[in-house]
Amino acid sequence: GEDVEQSLFLSVREGDSSVINCTYTDSSSTYLYWYKQEPGAGLQLLTYIFSNMDMKQDQRLTVLLNKKDKHLSLRIADTQTGDSAIYFCAETPDSNYQLIWGAGTKLIIKP
Amino acid sequence: DVKVTQSSRYLVKRTGEKVFLECVQDMDHENMFWYRQDPGLGLRLIYFSYDVKMKEKGDIPEGYSVSREKKERFSLILESASTNQTSMYLCASSLTQNSNQPQHFGDGTRLSIL
Repeated sequence: GEDVEQSLFLSVREGDSSVINCTYTDSSSTYLYWYKQEPGAGLQLLTYIFSNMDMKQDQRLTVLLNKKDKHLSLRIADTQTGDSAIYFCAETPDSNYQLIWGAGTKLIIKP
Repeated sequence: DVKVTQSSRYLVKRTGEKVFLECVQDMDHENMFWYRQDPGLGLRLIYFSYDVKMKEKGDIPEGYSVSREKKERFSLILESASTNQTSMYLCASSLTQNSNQPQHFGDGTRLSIL
């Protein structure tokens, strides 16, 4: 079945760029999403990219999609303490409207 | 902005109790979802609904049921709560059955079963 893989942790220094990676198996994915979950809260939609795009930029966030390798990444420029959260990658198979979720990457910011 | 409201942020219940978790959305969304979130396991889909009175099993429906009597409200029911149902429960909604509609989440209910 479809699967989405992420590393469980990423540690970066404040002010550096963070790159969170995600791989998926479903070649029919139409949309790929990044969600952010702050401690004790629900999930907040950060950004999403359609599968016919290679890149999407939104202020400090850059999403890169390599469809051939089924690899998605989220780059956060100038990482701040407020970026400390769990980041979830998710994809929508073409066949339905459910989301296939990764396990989430916990971003840890070092001073 | 889409607002998804879960009735409780924290809930403590006893083993064997019948537990109701309520979720309401205010944007006339067709689809509603219930997930549970456990450390290292990400989000797992329990049930979803794409219309009033319609429900579909997700990946882990055992021990749960749902009710959708009105479009804006989706209830998750633990028929006889057990300690392994201690978890964070997240409700979400999305607009239509089109795949380009993202899911919007409530703040979650942290449920503890003693």
